[in-house]
Amino acid sequence: ETGVTQTPRHLVMGMTNKKSLKCEQHLGHNAMYWYKQSAKKPLELMFVYSLEERVENNSVPSRFSPECPNSSHLFLHLHTLQPEDSALYLCASSQDGSSGGHYEQYFGPGTRLTVT
Amino acid sequence: GQQVMQIPQYQHVQEGEDFTTYCNSSTTLSNIQWYKQRPGGHPVFLIQLVKSGEVKKQKRLTFQFGEAKKNSSLHITATQTTDVGTYFCAGPEEYGNKLVFGAGTILRVKS
Repeated sequence: ETGVTQTPRHLVMGMTNKKSLKCEQHLGHNAMYWYKQSAKKPLELMFVYSLEERVENNSVPSRFSPECPNSSHLFLHLHTLQPEDSALYLCASSQDGSSGGHYEQYFGPGTRLTVT
Repeated sequence: GQQVMQIPQYQHVQEGEDFTTYCNSSTTLSNIQWYKQRPGGHPVFLIQLVKSGEVKKQKRLTFQFGEAKKNSSLHITATQTTDVGTYFCAGPEEYGNKLVFGAGTILRVKS
């Protein structure tokens, strides 16, 4: 499946580093999402973008900063992260974000992030 | 807030045995979606159910949506090792832009 791609696939960063995660969708969708998946925890929605506008910020700390320059690309900028931020970060897209989850979501392979 | 609960959390079955996971929402859902995540992989959309009492089949997988549209189940007949993974149900938030996921059921199949 290559509908949603994410880079890098693995990332190790120190707590003082700044890095960015990239997501690209080739499905013609107009909504994109960032999720965090930690071991033994449910999928946690972080951000929702619909038509390039952020429509949901799920009480995410400011050390995570999303950017959606167009409907095909989504970034997650990271700075001064904590070890507990280590997780799998998943990007997803769907047909329409304005109707709140009424369309199925397509996930990318994720970025496995380790904060040391 | 809206909650989606899944049971069981884990299930180990012998290859060839059946498996069922149950999903319950605290609110009525407009639809229920099911996803599968293989070990080391990412969630993959399986199916969406919309109508009250709806039943859909995909080969050995049978999905049901409850009459009250608050619960759902996924039943796998004669499990195979390829069925291993975590099965998530998810429903739209009643007011908002979220898809609320259950915690998932981890299926392990012993051959």
